[in-house]
Amino acid sequence: ELKVEQNPLFLSMQEGKNYTIYCNYSTTSDRLYWYRQDPGKSLESLFVLLSNGAVKQEGRLMASLDTKARLSTLHITAAVHDLSATYFCAVVQGPSGSARQLTFGSGTQLTVLP
Amino acid sequence: KAGVTQTPRYLIKTRGQQVTLSCSPISGHRSVSWYQQTPGQGLQFLFEYFSETQRNKGNFPGRFSGRQFSNSRSEMNVSTLELGDSALYLCASSLALRVNSPLHFGNGTRLTVT
Repeated sequence: ELKVEQNPLFLSMQEGKNYTIYCNYSTTSDRLYWYRQDPGKSLESLFVLLSNGAVKQEGRLMASLDTKARLSTLHITAAVHDLSATYFCAVVQGPSGSARQLTFGSGTQLTVLP
Repeated sequence: KAGVTQTPRYLIKTRGQQVTLSCSPISGHRSVSWYQQTPGQGLQFLFEYFSETQRNKGNFPGRFSGRQFSNSRSEMNVSTLELGDSALYLCASSLALRVNSPLHFGNGTRLTVT
């Protein structure tokens, strides 16, 4: 059974600082997604990572995937208040799994303090 | 382009009742998936539909069912409601032709069972 673990679960950081959120998963997969959820809102797609070594960047966020280590990271550079949200990683099970059947991590609740 | 539309936004039901939730995908999206989000269990996959056929089902009891219509709209039904069914139910659609395209989530239906 695929398990996805994120850490930390809660993260408070000062504006302007850098930090990394980690996403570990338990079985072979080469497809991983990052989503953002604002309080009371739905999930918004951030990144799609489809191969070992994939790196995607958008603004102050950068995501990477290491399929050998079964690890993805979401790096935040020079955090700003607008990045406060809950971030989820989600993994597709196996090479033939459906990308519509995702296993989500527990989420990392990020608060950026002034 | 309109996003994924879920109705109703909020529902309050009593134990033992049944409920039907509705989802209209983004125009042109033929794949619809449903997820349950709770504080305790997080985001869990319920079903995936494509071309009116259920392609995958998550680990939920038979009280949870769904269907998809020829216009790609989808409904899910929960019968004999239990207190533990209280959750945010999220519908997501995606472009089936792009097998790894990310899911686009609706704003959800918040179901409260009393």
